[in-house]
Amino acid sequence: DIVMTQSPISLSVTPGEPASISCRSSQSPLHSNGKYFFDWYLQKPGQPPRLLIYGGSYRASGVPDRFSGSGSGTDFTLKISRVEAEDVGVFYCMQGLETPYTFGQGTKLEIK
Amino acid sequence: DVQLVESGGGLVQPGGSLRLSCAASGFNFGSFWMHWVRQAPGKGLVWVSRMNTDGRITDYADSVRGRFTIYRDNAKDTLYLQMSSLRAEDTAVYYCIRDLAGRGGFWGQGTLVTVSS
Repeated sequence: DIVMTQSPISLSVTPGEPASISCRSSQSPLHSNGKYFFDWYLQKPGQPPRLLIYGGSYRASGVPDRFSGSGSGTDFTLKISRVEAEDVGVFYCMQGLETPYTFGQGTKLEIK
Repeated sequence: DVQLVESGGGLVQPGGSLRLSCAASGFNFGSFWMHWVRQAPGKGLVWVSRMNTDGRITDYADSVRGRFTIYRDNAKDTLYLQMSSLRAEDTAVYYCIRDLAGRGGFWGQGTLVTVSS
């Protein structure tokens, strides 16, 4: 199975400040078609996860442009340019290249 | 609007069975791969199973293979998960997802399954 490792496990950020979360996969989620099968999700308290970024760097429909994804190979990063109070929750990375699809352990974002 | 509404969760004894349903609306259900992902209380996300558009391709996590069966009825816009030989470790919220790992990824609200005597 492809193992996804996120860091940090938690972070506390002042509103308006940037934040960054890393995810490393044990194998590259790069498909032979040249696309990354790699997503970022945000699960707000009491809600299901919501897709933020797909394909490693493509923002999903309706996602604010303060969220951006980047990376290649086995190392990926989610950046929030200016954290807002509504961003509180747990962020997960996921690979969908092969089954079983696997998720990172989650990064909990708190607001200072 | 896109909607995925799970149902069928509840309390079941170890060794028992349960069938989850996921009613889809607001999109062409038959055009999307569908998935189940679960989340134990206070824990992370674990992929369970997937099915292709016409139901001919299925995949399962090792932990549920042989006990769970995914299937779909495109005429009814509904995805199912038949669960048998349930164990305490199957206790979780089960989410139905459209197009996981794709640009159209969308999650239902989930249904809670509790396996306990």
